[in-house]
Amino acid sequence: KQEVTQIPAALSVPEGENLVLNCSFTDSAIYNLQWFRQDPGKGLTSLLLIQSSQREQTSGRLNASLDKSSGRSTLYIAASQPGDSATYLCALKGMDSSYKLIFGSGTRLLVRP
Amino acid sequence: GAGVSQSPRYKVAKRGQDVALRCDPISGHVSLFWYQQALGQGPEFLTYFQNEAQLDKSGLPSDRFFAERPEGSVSTLKIQRTQQEDSAVYLCASSLGTGASTDTQYFGPGTRLTVL
Repeated sequence: KQEVTQIPAALSVPEGENLVLNCSFTDSAIYNLQWFRQDPGKGLTSLLLIQSSQREQTSGRLNASLDKSSGRSTLYIAASQPGDSATYLCALKGMDSSYKLIFGSGTRLLVRP
Repeated sequence: GAGVSQSPRYKVAKRGQDVALRCDPISGHVSLFWYQQALGQGPEFLTYFQNEAQLDKSGLPSDRFFAERPEGSVSTLKIQRTQQEDSAVYLCASSLGTGASTDTQYFGPGTRLTVL
C-alpha cells in the first residue's frame, strides 16, 4: 500500500529565508506528484504538478523536484514571505488508480515578518 | 467562472443524527470526488463519480456513509447516525475529464463537520 510522508510537520522561519519541504513515498509506480497549498477555511490550491517522466517543475519562487527511484520529492520556496504561510500538501496518483489522489499529512509553514 | 462550492460550510451534529453535505461541482465537469480530512492529516479518498455513476466507493469508512449524484451534477454525501470519529473536513473536488491521470482536480472549500 502506497504511503506518503511529509517532513517536517511544522516549520517556522523568518521572512526572506529559502526553505525546503520534503515528501517521501513508498511505491515508485506513480503517474504524477502534485504540491498543493491549503489555507484555513479554503480549498486546496494546486501549486505544481510533476509527471513521472519529469524531474522538476518551476513556478515563480517555487521549484518542485521528483526522484522516483528514491521515492522523494522536494518543494523549494525561495525568499519566503509572510503570505507563504499555509499548509503544504503533497499528493500523488499511483498506477493502481489514475484518479485517486493519495496525500501526505502536510507541512504547516509559518513565515514570520 | 464559479469554482466548486460546498454547503454548509460548517455543521454541528449531535451523535446519532443524520447529516447531508452538498457539493456543486464546476459546470460541465464529468468527474466528482469526495475526500475526508481529519484534523492535522491529509485528505483521504472516499468516493468517485463519473457523471451519475459511482465508480469507486472503496474509501467510504462504513455503511453509514452514502453518496449520490443522481443527475450527474450536484452530489450529496450523507452520513447516518453520526459518531464522534466522523468529525472532519469533507472536501469535494471535480475534474473535467473521465478520471485520467492527467486530469486536474479542483477542490471546494470543504464542510467542517463536528459531532458532539
